[in-house]
Amino acid sequence: NAGVTQTPKFRVLKTGQSMTLLCAQDMNHEYMYWYRQDPGMGLRLIHYSVGEGTTAKGEVPDGYNVSRLKKQNFLLGLESAAPSQTSVYFCASSYSQGDPSYNEQFFGPGTRLTVL
Amino acid sequence: QKEVEQDPGPLSVPEGAIVSLNCTYSNSAFQYFMWYRQYSRKGPELLMYTYSSGNKEDGRFTAQVDKSSKYISLFIRDSQPSDSATYLCAMSSDAYSGAGSYQLTFGKGTKLSVIP
Repeated sequence: NAGVTQTPKFRVLKTGQSMTLLCAQDMNHEYMYWYRQDPGMGLRLIHYSVGEGTTAKGEVPDGYNVSRLKKQNFLLGLESAAPSQTSVYFCASSYSQGDPSYNEQFFGPGTRLTVL
Repeated sequence: QKEVEQDPGPLSVPEGAIVSLNCTYSNSAFQYFMWYRQYSRKGPELLMYTYSSGNKEDGRFTAQVDKSSKYISLFIRDSQPSDSATYLCAMSSDAYSGAGSYQLTFGKGTKLSVIP
């Protein structure tokens, strides 16, 4: 199993450009998450999904949109990138039916995004 | 006050030392306590978890939870250079206690360097 994969690994954007980050998981997990990680700020939740076709806002949702059309994929979109969105983005997934209830989250390798 | 407080370090120790990493929290609903390890330029991965209060040991690692003090610790015995990483504590309430309870609240992480 590949676990959680993220595409692309690196990206440089100019202010105002748009892009989509793709997350895929092959563990049949119900829940998926997008985080950003910045120095001194830790991991902050952007958006999450509790199932196919559902999404919800996390702690820092402004400037981002998400979609979960298929259970295994979770897309994060930046419609008009800003320098403040320069960060490392992590996708995670968790919870299959019958799993223990502690809800371990499995993380992808991250996408390093720079907005100039 | 943040829900989870964690000293960011950095913490530098000689090889073979005992390392103590700690987090404090304010939300008494937290029941599941986890430690994630994140190597440089990688995604976090689960190292240990405990449910409610008590100790859990796994090889050179021991996790302790003191719910009365809202304080959790991770001890690393006989530390090795390969333990050099950022350690993040994470917590959640009971996974079945309602909407949002599957989310994890992370500390900001402590960067550890073990010097040969």
